[in-house]
Amino acid sequence: AQSVTQLDSQVPVFEEAPVELRCNYSSSVSVYLFWYVQYPNQGLQLLLKYLSGSTLVESINGFEAEFNKSQTSFHLRKPSVHISDTAEYFCAVRRVSGANNLFFGTGTRLTVIP
Amino acid sequence: GAGVSQSPRYKVTKRGQDVALRCDPISGHVSLYWYRQALGQGPEFLTYFNYEAQQDKSGLPNDRFSAERPEGSISTLTIQRTEQRDSAMYRCASSYQTSSGYNEQFFGPGTRLTVL
Repeated sequence: AQSVTQLDSQVPVFEEAPVELRCNYSSSVSVYLFWYVQYPNQGLQLLLKYLSGSTLVESINGFEAEFNKSQTSFHLRKPSVHISDTAEYFCAVRRVSGANNLFFGTGTRLTVIP
Repeated sequence: GAGVSQSPRYKVTKRGQDVALRCDPISGHVSLYWYRQALGQGPEFLTYFNYEAQQDKSGLPNDRFSAERPEGSISTLTIQRTEQRDSAMYRCASSYQTSSGYNEQFFGPGTRLTVL
């Protein structure tokens, strides 16, 4: 089975400061890794994903995440946050082969303070 | 084009009543998934379909929960004899069919179910 741990349930950060949202996973098989974002009153949106290749992946709005196999981590980072980044962020995994369903962490609520 | 739609967006019901939650996937998407998200938790898988066939229902918590997708498009998740612990956000997602490799799941806005 797969599981995802997001230890930080809430992360407040000042505008233009850097942020890191932590994600660790457990799986006995190879997995794809994802970060989803949920803005207030909206549905889940895919932010970025790691499928294969370069372990550093980036989103169009400045977030990046690095897959670390030895530490089974996929932490999300942004060097300078904006007010508009206030949202809930979910880390998720999916088996590379077999079932296509996603396993999500419990989420981290990022609040950017002006 | 239109995304995944779900209805109703909010549903309040009394304990013991049956509810039906609807999901309309993106046109052309073969796979459809249902997830449940309790307050303070991440989404948890319930079941999924390829076309009209239910491929995996291992996440359905008990036999009060059922889902169907009779024509391979719109899906209905039904909860019979609702209980307060069923209160949650129910999320639907769809994707192109995947037999191997990766296909992105697109999520709808969810249905917030409250059981009084």
